[in-house]
Amino acid sequence: NAGVTQTPKFQVLKTGQSMTLQCAQDMNHEYMSWYRQDPGMGLRLIHYSVGAGITDQGEVPNGYNVSRSTTEDFPLRLLSAAPSQTSVYFCAIRTTLTGELFFGEGSRLTVL
Amino acid sequence: GEDVEQSLFLSVREGDSSVINCTYTDSSSTYLYWYKQEPGAGLQLLTYIFSNMDMKQDQRLTVLLNKKDKHLSLRIADTQTGDSAIYFCAEGKAGTALIFGKGTTLSVSS
Repeated sequence: NAGVTQTPKFQVLKTGQSMTLQCAQDMNHEYMSWYRQDPGMGLRLIHYSVGAGITDQGEVPNGYNVSRSTTEDFPLRLLSAAPSQTSVYFCAIRTTLTGELFFGEGSRLTVL
Repeated sequence: GEDVEQSLFLSVREGDSSVINCTYTDSSSTYLYWYKQEPGAGLQLLTYIFSNMDMKQDQRLTVLLNKKDKHLSLRIADTQTGDSAIYFCAEGKAGTALIFGKGTTLSVSS
């Protein structure tokens, strides 16, 4: 997972609170993405970006915002946390040659 | 719609071979991937196969691709307890997001 850094690793929020999950890469890849992983649901794409200034929605974007002002950073914002957003969140970058994803170590979020 | 299907669980004894199966739907997928996730960790790429290949071998891992049936398998020879993890199959092509299966939990008993 070297090259993709996620912070924080653990977070507990109350319903209605907002927070930002940070993702930073030092591999200079254009494509960055956020997934959430839930038991029995596998990985679901929240938002992705194909380069600075460009973002797009994935499969489950509601309740989340993203921005991509630099190539290195791709923060994920929860505007008003809900218990349904309790999950493990993974940031990933994608290589252009073989299209594989490199994942960060994950951020475990609990919303009470 | 697009969907990648995997069986949810596989249990094997140490030293046996494990075969994890995956069915994908998009015949235009360029690459097919296998990822491994250990408890509390992120996903790590195990191997991938290009769509014009039938087989790829990498040490104890063998990937078989049947494009006609859209079937992908991962064989782990001489399975060890350290191979216990969740294995995800994924398909992808340029310009689109990877599509993941729900994962197969491999349990290896000694």
